[in-house]
Amino acid sequence: EAGVVQSPRYKIIEKKQPVAFWCNPISGHNTLYWYRQNLGQGPELLIRYENEEAVDDSQLPKDRFSAERLKGVDSTLKIQPAELGDSAVYLCASSFRDSQETQYFGPGTRLLVL
Amino acid sequence: GNSVTQMEGPVTLSEEAFLTINCTYTATGYPSLFWYVQYPGEGLQLLLKATKADDKGSNKGFEATYRKETTSFHLEKGSVQVSDSAVYFCALKGTYKYIFGTGTRLKVLA
Repeated sequence: EAGVVQSPRYKIIEKKQPVAFWCNPISGHNTLYWYRQNLGQGPELLIRYENEEAVDDSQLPKDRFSAERLKGVDSTLKIQPAELGDSAVYLCASSFRDSQETQYFGPGTRLLVL
Repeated sequence: GNSVTQMEGPVTLSEEAFLTINCTYTATGYPSLFWYVQYPGEGLQLLLKATKADDKGSNKGFEATYRKETTSFHLEKGSVQVSDSAVYFCALKGTYKYIFGTGTRLKVLA
């Protein structure tokens, strides 16, 4: 069974540029999460989807971040414009449903904003 | 609100030494507790979990027991290997949200 797929793995951009990350969850997983992991820290939830509905986006900086999960499968996280402080690893995870189910993480996208 | 506190690293051990990584939590209700491991350049992988008090999670020689009375979920392994070198994250899951600790880096020397 394929795991959570993310792309790109690495991205270097200049500040004020836009950037997008893509995630393909494990087949059949209804719940999808985007996390941000700063250096030396644990992941922090940005947004959680149940199918195509964003059910928790309270930690998403909505002035510059946006996300979508059309058709309830793949998801895209966008930053526009990027700031220096956005440099981090962006992790996508999925679970069968959001109960006690285990989350499965992708390898992450490492973003460096110059 | 909910929170997780882990011991700071790095923890450096010789091969075959005993490992303990402390984790305590603050939560309302009865969260599930997890240990995730992150190898260099990879995403987080579930190592073990426990869903209720007194449960013991175990995997690959690692163990942790859900202690409600001390609000702890310490990770232990009797004999570490070089291949166990990684960052270990303690996490809890309340009603909806996962909360992760800051991670503890483990270095095992041959």
